[in-house]
Amino acid sequence: QSALTQPASVSGSPGQSITISCTGSSTDVGTYDFVSWYQQLPGKAPKLIIHDVTKRPSGVSTRFSGSKSGSTASLTISGLQSEDEADYYCCSYAGNSCVVFGGGTKLTVL
Amino acid sequence: EVQLVESGGAVAQPGGSLRLSCVIAGFNFDDYTLHWVRQPPGKGLEWVSLIRWDSGLTSYGDSVRGRFATSRNINKNTVFLQMTSLRTEDTALYYCAKEKLGSSWTAFDYWGQGTLVNVFS
Repeated sequence: QSALTQPASVSGSPGQSITISCTGSSTDVGTYDFVSWYQQLPGKAPKLIIHDVTKRPSGVSTRFSGSKSGSTASLTISGLQSEDEADYYCCSYAGNSCVVFGGGTKLTVL
Repeated sequence: EVQLVESGGAVAQPGGSLRLSCVIAGFNFDDYTLHWVRQPPGKGLEWVSLIRWDSGLTSYGDSVRGRFATSRNINKNTVFLQMTSLRTEDTALYYCAKEKLGSSWTAFDYWGQGTLVNVFS
């Protein structure tokens, strides 16, 4: 189980769109459509914002969307807002009843 | 409302043991899965283990397999994480998280507040 690869940081201005990538391999992201994304605010537990690659839980803003191509999943945040500033983590099923997280990406809203 | 409350975090010495607990409330289904996820101070999330409530099936991450064991007490709606042969790198905030019904494996829709484990000599 190798951690998924995410950029350490991304930034954008209010109103812009940003995309966070999450690169795995053929043993996880590339094979399974069980990819989730989490938003973590400082001092808080992670919050589920995308699951099963593209699905948004009830109550999550439509500005958050997910996609996948090959072994890379992506989270896009459109209409960036100051409250989106947080750490974001991807998570994938890795077979054999195991799960793996990405290293996390710090989003800064300029 | 679903609530998960962890406890049992403490200071421990390398080679020592600890048992964490996670009490689940507000949820009546029998066929759900609970996960343990940890986060070292200032670092990212790491998946630790899972347990299926109905069957008791467990699975573990590479870094804890053979040292940690997850179990449940059905009557007390509680999941446990028995940690042995502790290492300094096990220092982290340990969360329990519930897997979302209707999804699979990675969608954790409810999380506890976490319990802190600090391993040092």
